[in-house]
Amino acid sequence: DQQVKQNSPSLSVQEGRISILNCDYTNSMFDYFLWYKKYPAEGPTFLISISSIKDKNEDGRFTVFLNKSAKHLSLHIVPSQPGDSAVYFCAASAGGSARQLTFGSGTQLTVLP
Amino acid sequence: ETGVTQTPRHLVMGMTNKKSLKCEQHLGHNAMYWYKQSAKKPLELMFVYSLEERVENNSVPSRFSPECPNSSHLFLHLHTLQPEDSALYLCASSQAALAVPYNEQFFGPGTRLTVL
Repeated sequence: DQQVKQNSPSLSVQEGRISILNCDYTNSMFDYFLWYKKYPAEGPTFLISISSIKDKNEDGRFTVFLNKSAKHLSLHIVPSQPGDSAVYFCAASAGGSARQLTFGSGTQLTVLP
Repeated sequence: ETGVTQTPRHLVMGMTNKKSLKCEQHLGHNAMYWYKQSAKKPLELMFVYSLEERVENNSVPSRFSPECPNSSHLFLHLHTLQPEDSALYLCASSQAALAVPYNEQFFGPGTRLTVL
């Protein structure tokens, strides 16, 4: 049973518009969440994270929102750029350490020019 | 070399072969990880080494054998694999050795393994 779920395997967005990637989790012990981006033939690269004591974290064009009651987080990218086209993974950890990360299956984002 | 490097990038092996995957991190980290990514599936954590000691082993079959000779190098020794072991194997490192929380993991490019 997957503890971290990304239910949309793919998403297409027009350049300049907002991209919203969603992630749901089931383990209430998760207290830290991360988003990674992966280009083909490269390993995942860290994008942004959020602790469970917050409900929003912003870094430039990227904002992560956390809704603990719904066990849901989302990544907003605005404005979207063609270079953002990649697979985005949501990950979560529990117990105060990022050693044990549980990943979702990823969402392929395509930003159309 | 910078970041996390993995060799080889591609590997094709038969079920009776023995091979090894190598990972090296140039970031001064003290924790290293092996992940498996099968098609359309989440990354699965296989092993975690912290300060060269294995601290996590997520029910991985014994045909996968990790080795961490020092904090910069990590190996995954493979023997008598099955076709279903074909996947992308990713190595990662971080500074989160013990109780230090919330340090992101840095990934290598992966080894694409095909077992015939």
